[in-house]
Amino acid sequence: QKEVEQNSGPLSVPEGAIASLNCTYSDRGSQSFFWYRQYSGKSPELIMFIYSNGDKEDGRFTAQLNKASQYVSLLIRDSQPSDSATYLCAGGGYNQGGKLIFGQGTELSVKP
Amino acid sequence: DADVTQTPRNRITKTGKRIMLECSQTKGHDRMYWYRQDPGLGLRLIYYSFDVKDINKGEISDGYSVSRQAQAKFSLSLESAIPNQTALYFCATSDGGPGELFFGEGSRLTVL
Repeated sequence: QKEVEQNSGPLSVPEGAIASLNCTYSDRGSQSFFWYRQYSGKSPELIMFIYSNGDKEDGRFTAQLNKASQYVSLLIRDSQPSDSATYLCAGGGYNQGGKLIFGQGTELSVKP
Repeated sequence: DADVTQTPRNRITKTGKRIMLECSQTKGHDRMYWYRQDPGLGLRLIYYSFDVKDINKGEISDGYSVSRQAQAKFSLSLESAIPNQTALYFCATSDGGPGELFFGEGSRLTVL
């Protein structure tokens, strides 16, 4: 079992809908979590990070962390075709020695 | 010019050949990483280095070696390439902050 698990998708949503991307992790020592977006043929780029239980909002993006359930999610409101990409969840912390462990990635397709 | 530069961007080689992928960065970061990306498997860490004298194995280091020639340079070697090392390889850097990795553009390696 990977330390960080995601549904690989693809996840398809209509334009304007909310896209919900989910991630679970196995190491309770993980303290910080990151969402990267990767367009086809490009390198990943950081879009959100979260350390504390609860929600963190940044524009159309909301990251949610539930440490008791070992669950991280990313919500994208008012999804746009330009949001179509693969979203990578990553976890890190002292147990990971300062490195990030990535999930498999979820492919999101936003249909006009 | 890109802050994290990988060479070569594409390489086709034969089984048994030695291959080196090079990474250089102008971001001034101490931490450098090599990841491998395969479809459905996300990013997997091969090796990482927190400074010039520090080298650490990641999740999948077998069959690979690295050299940190300077703060700005981190190279990945495959001593005897095999077909299942066909993948997209990413170099990344970080300043040790909240987990933001800065990725190079990737090196696509095909081993025949």
